Amino acid sequence: EIVMTQSPATLSVSPGERVTLSCRASQSVSSDLAWYQQKPGQAPRLLISGASTRATGVPARFSGSGSGTEFTLTISSLQSEDFAIYYCQQYNNWPPGCTFGQGTKLEIK
Amino acid sequence: QVQLVESGGSAVQPGRSLRLSCAASGFTLRSYGMYWVRQAPGKGLEWVALISYEGSDTDYADSVKGRFTISRDDSKNTLSLQMNSLRAEDTAVYYCAKPRDFGDSIPLFDNWGQGTLVTVSS
Repeated sequence: EIVMTQSPATLSVSPGERVTLSCRASQSVSSDLAWYQQKPGQAPRLLISGASTRATGVPARFSGSGSGTEFTLTISSLQSEDFAIYYCQQYNNWPPGCTFGQGTKLEIK
Repeated sequence: QVQLVESGGSAVQPGRSLRLSCAASGFTLRSYGMYWVRQAPGKGLEWVALISYEGSDTDYADSVKGRFTISRDDSKNTLSLQMNSLRAEDTAVYYCAKPRDFGDSIPLFDNWGQGTLVTVSS
């Protein structure tokens, strides 16, 4: 099984700051990497697929990069609505399934 | 618009069974492979089960293989998950999730239900 490790577990940041979240795969997943955002009490929302392609309706302040085993999600200027938990997901070994990281929580400093 | 509504979650004792349902609307269910994904309290996301768009192929995470069965009834626009021999570690919110692309497509989920909570405890 491919294990996805996200760091840090929690990040305290101020609105307007630039933030970078990391995701590492235990083996290469090429560019088969997605990012999701989850707010309390809500289902996850797809942000990025193919490591760097924003999903429909996702603001341009969100960007993804990386390939192989190292990936990052960058939010260029944090808005109040961006405070949430972010999960990376690999789908390189599909079918049948996929694996998610344990998440990075963005909290207000 | 796409809507997925799960139901059937409840508190059950270890070893018992439970059946979850997901009512789909706003898209042609039979055109999509569909998934169940779960999230234990305060934890991350875990893929649980997949059914092909034709309904002929299914697959499961190792953690539930042999205990859970995914099925679909496209005439009723419904996805189901039969869960047998439940364990404490099955406690989670269960989501049905629709992939972005039709067919038997990669698990990029652009629509999720609101989830239904399953609690397994004696």
